[in-house]
Amino acid sequence: GDSVTQMEGPVTLSEEAFLTINCTYTATGYPSLFWYVQYPGEGLQLLLKATKADDKGSNKGFEATYRKETTSFHLEKGSVQVSDSAVYFCALSETSGSRLTFGEGTQLTVNP
Amino acid sequence: KAGVTQTPRYLIKTRGQQVTLSCSPISGHRSVSWYQQTPGQGLQFLFEYFSETQRNKGNFPGRFSGRQFSNSRSEMNVSTLELGDSALYLCASSLDGARISGNTIYFGEGSWLTVV
Repeated sequence: GDSVTQMEGPVTLSEEAFLTINCTYTATGYPSLFWYVQYPGEGLQLLLKATKADDKGSNKGFEATYRKETTSFHLEKGSVQVSDSAVYFCALSETSGSRLTFGEGTQLTVNP
Repeated sequence: KAGVTQTPRYLIKTRGQQVTLSCSPISGHRSVSWYQQTPGQGLQFLFEYFSETQRNKGNFPGRFSGRQFSNSRSEMNVSTLELGDSALYLCASSLDGARISGNTIYFGEGSWLTVV
């Protein structure tokens, strides 16, 4: 079945550092890929998405490129802020409808 | 516009009881899906409803059920609660699923269920 694997956390960075959170997936078809962010005590917010190979999703300084050849969708940000501290989830959707398969989540802490 | 609204936000139940959680999707959204989030299992898909019909179902026992009303509001029910059902239950809505380019799935803030 479908699966998503994220780099293990937690990740701790200093403000203005470069961020990479690795995400690889296994799917039988051509999934859509997503990054969601969850702040403490809140639900999930969509950060960015890509629906086909070589698409680049971007939002709030975060970027991720859909790499079909490496089945990856790594999240990057050039300069993190304290306010970026949250849990980040990589997810895919292959079937029609809203069934999302999530990775384990990566806790990011950014220190001033 | 108003986001996805879930009620109640917090609740405590006793083993063996049953619970009903409610979700009001964003106006105009016809797809509602439910997820369970626990520290051990992460985020797991429960089921999705579209136009009052269950369209997808995850791998959960029959104690977990749901339904959708004609106004797209949805409820999920868990019967014969077990300690392991303690979790954050998240509802999500979208116009018509994740596969539609440009479509976005919006999540509510969740209902925290504690089973004692």
